[in-house]
Amino acid sequence: DTGVSQDPRHKITKRGQNVTFRCDPISEHNRLYWYRQTLGQGPEFLTYFQNEAQLEKSRLLSDRFSAERPKGSFSTLEIQRTEQGDSAMYLCASSQGSGAGAEAFFGQGTRLTVV
Amino acid sequence: LAKTTQPISMDSYEGQEVNITCSHNNIATNDYITWYQQFPSQGPRFIIQGYKTKVTNEVASLFIPADRKSSTLSLPRVSLSDTAVYYCLWGTGGGNKLTFGTGTQLKVEL
Repeated sequence: DTGVSQDPRHKITKRGQNVTFRCDPISEHNRLYWYRQTLGQGPEFLTYFQNEAQLEKSRLLSDRFSAERPKGSFSTLEIQRTEQGDSAMYLCASSQGSGAGAEAFFGQGTRLTVV
Repeated sequence: LAKTTQPISMDSYEGQEVNITCSHNNIATNDYITWYQQFPSQGPRFIIQGYKTKVTNEVASLFIPADRKSSTLSLPRVSLSDTAVYYCLWGTGGGNKLTFGTGTQLKVEL
């Protein structure tokens, strides 16, 4: 296991369709994060899990977005009824522990284009 | 929110030392200061993290004054491959969400 893996790397979808992204964190990491990044901006926090529990969700995560992490391993992020404004890079990160200073490792992201 | 202020862009030449300063006036006692690097179409990559004084690793140094209201990332002898966006963050690191600003776009030329 060499790092955080995200699938797919690219996704083009028509407006109104549903999409699902997968993230496989580093195996021993108990925390998993989702971020969204648009062009020219830094990543924006969406949500995070500690093991299988979703502990925090950003107000950016509208009702059309849902994230799961069954069994505390991989995670999925689903966007329902996609809109053009959902076009962005979706990044997943993982870390071990909850103490201060824990390093977060990011995947290469899934680039979503809604047409 | 962990709001930081850093320059939008910086230019440098190969072989020079680059210093990027970030201000974080509202840093809390338990917060660490972390810097990430991001290349186009890739996720951010951890560079260095510190709490106070100076930290050095194989790629960079991080200088934090006693009041901890700012920090300076120092990249020695930059190369073209150091062209990237550099983000300064503060918070409890992996323990909570990381709040990114817009970062500093560093451009290194020959």
